[in-house]
Amino acid sequence: DTAVSQTPKYLVTQMGNDKSIKCEQNLGHDTMYWYKQDSKKFLKIMFSYNNKELIINETVPNRFSPKSPDKAHLNLHINSLELGDSAVYFCASSHRTSGVRNTGELFFGEGSRLTVL
Amino acid sequence: GEDVEQSLFLSVREGDSSVINCTYTDSSSTYLYWYKQEPGAGLQLLTYIFSNMDMKQDQRLTVLLNKKDKHLSLRIADTQTGDSAIYFCAEREGFKTIFGAGTRLFVKA
Repeated sequence: DTAVSQTPKYLVTQMGNDKSIKCEQNLGHDTMYWYKQDSKKFLKIMFSYNNKELIINETVPNRFSPKSPDKAHLNLHINSLELGDSAVYFCASSHRTSGVRNTGELFFGEGSRLTVL
Repeated sequence: GEDVEQSLFLSVREGDSSVINCTYTDSSSTYLYWYKQEPGAGLQLLTYIFSNMDMKQDQRLTVLLNKKDKHLSLRIADTQTGDSAIYFCAEREGFKTIFGAGTRLFVKA
């Protein structure tokens, strides 16, 4: 039973194309995230949704559009792909806030490796 | 500002202790974390420490927190080849978890 699952695992495409990555979590969390990990393994947050509402929107080109149809799903659509978009994109989920009762731990998917040629 | 810094590489012999260090900026973080990433996988929480603690021990892992210096460390006792991975220090700032650049731990047999 995979807790956070994302598809596809690998994506190879040409510059200029549009592609989507899907993510689903079955942990009952109310918050989901997209992180981008570059070739040097730096991990940077892109977006976060809480109960279908966008709560974090970092400085990301507007070619990237997240969509959350419900709190268990968060998709990422990328228009007009560029070479610099090549990276591993990680979906994660958690409870909204950390506190005495929960640690705010992030649960990550296995990643979607995007290669733009 | 948000900044979590850690050294990029550490190499140790099997059986030795490994110490990975990290500095962070947000003094209001409730929790500080260590995540582990193995090749081709996502990150997994290894351990965490609540901000009102100085130390936490969990089997081979010891986390030390110095709030005055905003310094966090992870010690792995009796390091094994299976511990080879990237270790990320992280802090929670509101709704965001901010990660360091990751320390690549190489364990030589």
